[in-house]
Amino acid sequence: ETGVTQSPTHLIKTRGQQVTLRCSSQSGHNTVSWYQQALGQGPQFIFQYYREEENGRGNFPPRFSGLQFPNYSSELNVNALELDDSALYLCASSLGFATNEKLFFGSGTQLSVL
Amino acid sequence: AQSVSQHNHHVILSEAASLELGCNYSYGGTVNLFWYVQYPGQHLQLLLKYFSGDPLVKGIKGFEAEFIKSKFSFNLRKPSVQWSDTAEYFCAALPSGTYKYIFGTGTRLKVLA
Repeated sequence: ETGVTQSPTHLIKTRGQQVTLRCSSQSGHNTVSWYQQALGQGPQFIFQYYREEENGRGNFPPRFSGLQFPNYSSELNVNALELDDSALYLCASSLGFATNEKLFFGSGTQLSVL
Repeated sequence: AQSVSQHNHHVILSEAASLELGCNYSYGGTVNLFWYVQYPGQHLQLLLKYFSGDPLVKGIKGFEAEFIKSKFSFNLRKPSVQWSDTAEYFCAALPSGTYKYIFGTGTRLKVLA
């Protein structure tokens, strides 16, 4: 077990709706990053938060946003859902933000947009 | 654009066969390299990593990988696979100075008992 939990495990939404995905990191892990894994693809970096501030972002539009809270929980929000947003969303936590930090992944939230 | 390529999408081997999974990255600067594994029904977990030093790195469960800078490669190897190695394997690169892990598309390995 990684100590990283995500909720919900599965979610179905319709196009245009908004969704919030949640992640609970290991206690003491100050960094959380979010990834999108489409079917048949590897995870793609969405963004990273360190101590409640975004400190890195991938090639995702602004309708993908996040929050990190002092209690080691975090959220990924997606507005105006599109069909292509259907994917597995993974969060990963690490102790700090040094590049040699090991990532601890959650099991993911499977989002289906109809 | 920075990318990671995994050449084999599906690999089927018999137990005790040797394994080599290819991984190439496109980035001209310093890069940290990783192999992650996802066993059926489980989360992604780190198998091994390379940052610097000895280009041959050893990971868990008898896996090893060799960094060949001139070929931009980081192939994963195991001399003798077991049925329990059935999983999906992801190669990932982390360009120095960034936090953006770049993952390959993964290789599904099935080991027949």
